[in-house]
Amino acid sequence: SAVISQKPSRDICQRGTSLTIQCQVDSQVTMMFWYRQQPGQSLTLIATANQGSEATYESGFVIDKFPISRPNLTFSTLTVSNLSPEDSSIYLCSVDRTNEKLFFGSGTQLSVL
Amino acid sequence: QKEVEQDPGPLSVPEGAIVSLNCTYSNSAFQYFMWYRQYSRKGPELLMYTYSSGNKEDGRFTAQVDKSSKYISLFIRDSQPSDSATYLCAMSDAGGTSYGKLTFGQGTILTVHP
Repeated sequence: SAVISQKPSRDICQRGTSLTIQCQVDSQVTMMFWYRQQPGQSLTLIATANQGSEATYESGFVIDKFPISRPNLTFSTLTVSNLSPEDSSIYLCSVDRTNEKLFFGSGTQLSVL
Repeated sequence: QKEVEQDPGPLSVPEGAIVSLNCTYSNSAFQYFMWYRQYSRKGPELLMYTYSSGNKEDGRFTAQVDKSSKYISLFIRDSQPSDSATYLCAMSDAGGTSYGKLTFGQGTILTVHP
């Protein structure tokens, strides 16, 4: 399994501000994935982050709202921009280390007031 | 209709009981099936992984996949209070796994009381 460190673990933000979430993996991985877990809902893939290229976003998610950086093979950030209460969720970073098996970080609990 | 349906529960059982958790799905292209366990304020932890139809056993846990019925199950024998968590089913087609795209169920909240 992979060791995935996510920061911050939780935050409370004001409407209209942004939050940047960091994800650090203990070894190099080709792709990193960002998921959202809304209260009472399934986990939903936001985007895939490859090192050296733009992230690939799933339907319903756009770069302006969820910009992602992937500066190297062990690190990625997800920014949630122009926050609204509807963005209150758990955001999870994940990696695939052993083919078809995703491992997740502990998540970032975001509350927007 | 959601691609993956999972009864959210909550499910409460006494210690030592056999627990059955289930998911149904509609996408016949799904070939990889997983169960994750998620404790409060933690990320999902991979519990069981199965390719195609059949059974897989790991200790007290048994995963079953019936592709003909589009139905998967997770059985927990001799349940313990430490099994109290949310259990998420997840699945993908061959291409989806290569891109980390899993389709998750809503999760079932399980409480095992002493």
